[in-house]
Amino acid sequence: RKEVEQDPGPFNVPEGATVAFNCTYSNSASQSFFWYRQDCRKEPKLLMSVYSSGNEDGRFTAQLNRASQYISLLIRDSKLSDSATYLCVVTPETSYDKVIFGPGTSLSVIP
Amino acid sequence: GAVVSQHPSRVICKSGTSVKIECRSLDFQATTMFWYRQFPKQSLMLMATSNEGSKATYEQGVEKDKFLINHASLTLSTLTVTSAHPEDSSFYICSATVLAGPSYEQYFGPGTRLTVT
Repeated sequence: RKEVEQDPGPFNVPEGATVAFNCTYSNSASQSFFWYRQDCRKEPKLLMSVYSSGNEDGRFTAQLNRASQYISLLIRDSKLSDSATYLCVVTPETSYDKVIFGPGTSLSVIP
Repeated sequence: GAVVSQHPSRVICKSGTSVKIECRSLDFQATTMFWYRQFPKQSLMLMATSNEGSKATYEQGVEKDKFLINHASLTLSTLTVTSAHPEDSSFYICSATVLAGPSYEQYFGPGTRLTVT
């Protein structure tokens, strides 16, 4: 089993739609969790950290369920500019700064 | 957020030559930097952890003699791809970590696209 798994995608949604991405991780002792977005042929950029209490940043909401080893990202009112690959990122137990990337889920927002 | 630069952004080289890629933290000091490789339509794969003043730590399957890493200062790490072959053609990205609250956040350089002919 891979350490971090994500919905395979791709997701094709109309503008204004709400879309949710799921991510699971195998190591129950994982330390920290993040969502990054990566545009085509560009480097990943931090979208948001994910906290146990859940956190929201504008149209984006991230949730963490440690018991189920599950992370989610919800995007409301999708914009064309949200089209990208969304990467679930986990810090393993043995390191505070090394991270493991999920395979990514591609999102295309269609006019 | 923190700024990380990479140079060059794109390089084309002939098979058998060596290529050096620089990664710099511009507005902070980074004792640890990471080097990743990304093939088309795949996720980032960690190659090695670059530690300032000491040897790099390589991931399983990554040849340390082929991918030479030097982290001579707190703001610069270099990756040298030695005796490059076409299968080394890839997108190489570095990152540096910044402690933000309870966790480290990773900031990435813009990447270097290497094409070996």
